[in-house]
Amino acid sequence: GAVVSQHPSRVICKSGTSVKIECRSLDFQATTMFWYRQFPKQSLMLMATSNEGSKATYEQGVEKDKFLINHASLTLSTLTVTSAHPEDSSFYICSARAPGLATDTQYFGPGTRLTVL
Amino acid sequence: DAKTTQPPSMDCAEGRAANLPCNHSTISGNEYVYWYRQIHSQGPQYIIHGLKNNETNEMASLIITEDRKSSTLILPHATLRDTAVYYCIVRSGQAGTALIFGKGTTLSVSS
Repeated sequence: GAVVSQHPSRVICKSGTSVKIECRSLDFQATTMFWYRQFPKQSLMLMATSNEGSKATYEQGVEKDKFLINHASLTLSTLTVTSAHPEDSSFYICSARAPGLATDTQYFGPGTRLTVL
Repeated sequence: DAKTTQPPSMDCAEGRAANLPCNHSTISGNEYVYWYRQIHSQGPQYIIHGLKNNETNEMASLIITEDRKSSTLILPHATLRDTAVYYCIVRSGQAGTALIFGKGTTLSVSS
């Protein structure tokens, strides 16, 4: 199957700092990537859809100025949490759409655990 | 996308088949049924998907009823490593549509 990586896997930062999370498709080109977050004991919540070379589409209630998404190439999307606060602590997961592989299946990265102190 | 209904939890003995049901009575003609699972603190893992026909791969089998209103994911010989949350998701066949996750079924496999 297709492989998606994320970096870092875990990050701890102070309140007010910015954190960048990278999502890479390792063996396929992804024109579309998705960002989710997951709070403890809850399901994944879609944050935004990222298309290569264009602006991301954010879900209702997700602040686009706080969660900056850049999809500059067909294999890399980044999520920057700006001025992070403790309530932003969560498990952030990206996925990439693999066109032409098994009917547009999404493959997920291993996730990034963000803890804001 | 059509909504799905899954039992919140199920138990299965190691080595036995695990049959996970999913109800999707409002599914429309161009929507696929996808199954993913999430092992604790990891990203979701793709298992299988189908449109109308039953499907089988190295991980599982997917049985879709003729009216497409429900489906069952079958893990033929469950192991302890199959303990996870299993998500049944109905999604449009339109390219680029995101997966929307419900609460899923927590499957506990015990020895």
